Amino acid sequence: DGGITQSPKYLFRKEGQNVTLSCEQNLNHDAMYWYRQDPGQGLRLIYYSQIVNDFQKGDIAEGYSVSREKKESFPLTVTSAQKNPTAFYLCASNPVGSNGELFFGEGSRLTVL
Amino acid sequence: GQNIDQPTEMTATEGAIVQINCTYQTSGFNGLFWYQQHAGEAPTFLSYNVLDGLEEKGRFSSFLSRSKGYSYLLLKELQMKDSASYLCAVRNPLGGSYIPTFGRGTSLIVHP
Repeated sequence: DGGITQSPKYLFRKEGQNVTLSCEQNLNHDAMYWYRQDPGQGLRLIYYSQIVNDFQKGDIAEGYSVSREKKESFPLTVTSAQKNPTAFYLCASNPVGSNGELFFGEGSRLTVL
Repeated sequence: GQNIDQPTEMTATEGAIVQINCTYQTSGFNGLFWYQQHAGEAPTFLSYNVLDGLEEKGRFSSFLSRSKGYSYLLLKELQMKDSASYLCAVRNPLGGSYIPTFGRGTSLIVHP
């Protein structure tokens, strides 16, 4: 079945370590997004990509990095520069030119100890 | 820029009707979405409005007034499983594209 797969679902890391969250989709969608969600908060945009080998910063890109080497994949690295990385991370995708409805992965919960 | 406001929390009784409001201010507008999110899960799409008026889909309806920067989600015949967070998202211009920007969400608690 088509969908978006995020891994790992839960991740624990020590402060100061970089960590990479995986996001893979087989929906043939052009656009992919990373959002961060904190308790009781909405989703805040970290990075997005409309096409392979191109990506743009969202509202809270500092301390994060991404790559888009393949259409199917949009991994997010949480670097040691991110001051408060503990959060729920959601990856999403949609076809370019659509109404903008987002298709979400199940999310990755990162806890930094 | 954009600003999206929703109530933080609402409670309602099983079988009743509840209306969740969303107001927005945006430099450009290209549609408004409502998503449902159960705790610890990903959001799921409920509705999309780009023109003024009411869109009905089963127990859920969504209304939009572009001139007032206002939308609401109406849930009828509430069920316990409707207890969730409801996210309003506005499609805004960003870097030559239209990107959904989310409000903080409204936590709905349905009690017997």
